Amino acid sequence: QSALTQPPSASGSPGQSVTISCTGTSSDVGGYNYVSWYQQHPGKAPKLMIYDVNKRPSGVPDRFSGSKSGNTASLTVSGLQAEDEADYYCSSYAGSNNLGVFGGGTKLTVL
Amino acid sequence: EVQLVQSGAEVKKPGESLKISCKASGYTFSSDWIGWVRQMPGKGLEWMGFIWPGDSDTRYSPSFQGQVTISADKSITTAYVQWSSLKASDTAMYYCARPIMVREGVVSIFYWGQGTLVTVSS
Repeated sequence: QSALTQPPSASGSPGQSVTISCTGTSSDVGGYNYVSWYQQHPGKAPKLMIYDVNKRPSGVPDRFSGSKSGNTASLTVSGLQAEDEADYYCSSYAGSNNLGVFGGGTKLTVL
Repeated sequence: EVQLVQSGAEVKKPGESLKISCKASGYTFSSDWIGWVRQMPGKGLEWMGFIWPGDSDTRYSPSFQGQVTISADKSITTAYVQWSSLKASDTAMYYCARPIMVREGVVSIFYWGQGTLVTVSS
């Protein structure tokens, strides 16, 4: 059982928006502004898409956005494209001397 | 450009030992954390542990403490994870990662290796 809870699947049609949730506790997601989201295509290494709740690394399209409310963080993908089909994992800082926690992952399908 | 290049896939038998590597370049190896993330077949990501090569300070996830040993060689900017006695349950993809850490907690990972597949089977 993962420390952060994500829905196992999400889907949307090309051009639509989809939001993936990531629920933790006040000891991780709710306690710090250090939530990250990773995209992983089959057979590939994860790729950082969002860090510090809502910041995008250089090169990540602005179709990807992050937010947080209380103990739940969210990743929104707008204007869905076929290449967005992948697994998405959230992670959160969980305090000093704690390596942190991951969600179980969400498989995003572009219909 | 930061690069993390991992050693190749391994096939081992239960009880054998193994050490896989991650060659880092493009940054000051001694002055930043580096470590390992496990992904079992069809499963999610798990932090294993990280090392500060400058002084070999190593932090393990409780699940991996005592199960693996993480080390680093500053002279060749390479990090390692090793097992003394592999089990079938160690079968997984292992990713090298350079994390951003705050007070020895992981904030995010901008840089990942390509992964090393370890298969343990009799």
